[in-house]
Amino acid sequence: AQSVTQLDSQVPVFEEAPVELRCNYSSSVSVYLFWYVQYPNQGLQLLLKYLSGSTLVKGINGFEAEFNKSQTSFHLRKPSVHISDTAEYFCAVSGVDTDKLIFGTGTRLQVFP
Amino acid sequence: GAGVSQSPSNKVTEKGKDVELRCDPISGHTALYWYRQSLGQGLEFLIYFQGNSAPDKSGLPSDRFSAERTGGSVSTLTIQRTQQEDSAVYLCASSLPGGPNYGYTFGSGTRLTVV
Repeated sequence: AQSVTQLDSQVPVFEEAPVELRCNYSSSVSVYLFWYVQYPNQGLQLLLKYLSGSTLVKGINGFEAEFNKSQTSFHLRKPSVHISDTAEYFCAVSGVDTDKLIFGTGTRLQVFP
Repeated sequence: GAGVSQSPSNKVTEKGKDVELRCDPISGHTALYWYRQSLGQGLEFLIYFQGNSAPDKSGLPSDRFSAERTGGSVSTLTIQRTQQEDSAVYLCASSLPGGPNYGYTFGSGTRLTVV
């Protein structure tokens, strides 16, 4: 079985500042890792995913994440945020032996002008 | 259709009543998932359908919850004798076989309020 921990429930940041949203996972098998974003009053959208290969994954809207197997982490980063990045961000994991995604509790990113 | 469609978008029901939530997945997506999103709880997995295989019901919180998928397409999530703690947004997602590899496509959800 897999589990995901997003330690930060809220991250406030000023516009144009860098941001890192933390995600740690637990699994007894190899994993696939994902970040989804939910903008206010909208459905969830896939930001990026790690399946295999390069541990640095680039996604939409300038976001990237790095898979660190030794630290069981998949932190999401953006070098300069915009007001429009204000949203809820969910980290998710699935084992390579299952099609089921397990989500974290989410991190609310609030970007201030 | 172009996306995953869920209906109704909002549902207010009295405690003790039964409710049915509907999900129309993307045409050709053989995998269908139901999740529940409660405030501060993230997305809780409920049930997963893949083709003609037996569904994975391991996330259903009680026997008041059930789901079916007819003809490998439309799915209905039924909650019997609703309780106030059932209030949440119920999300449906669909994907091609091998689900997470292709990413899920989520519907906009049904917001259920039990009063």
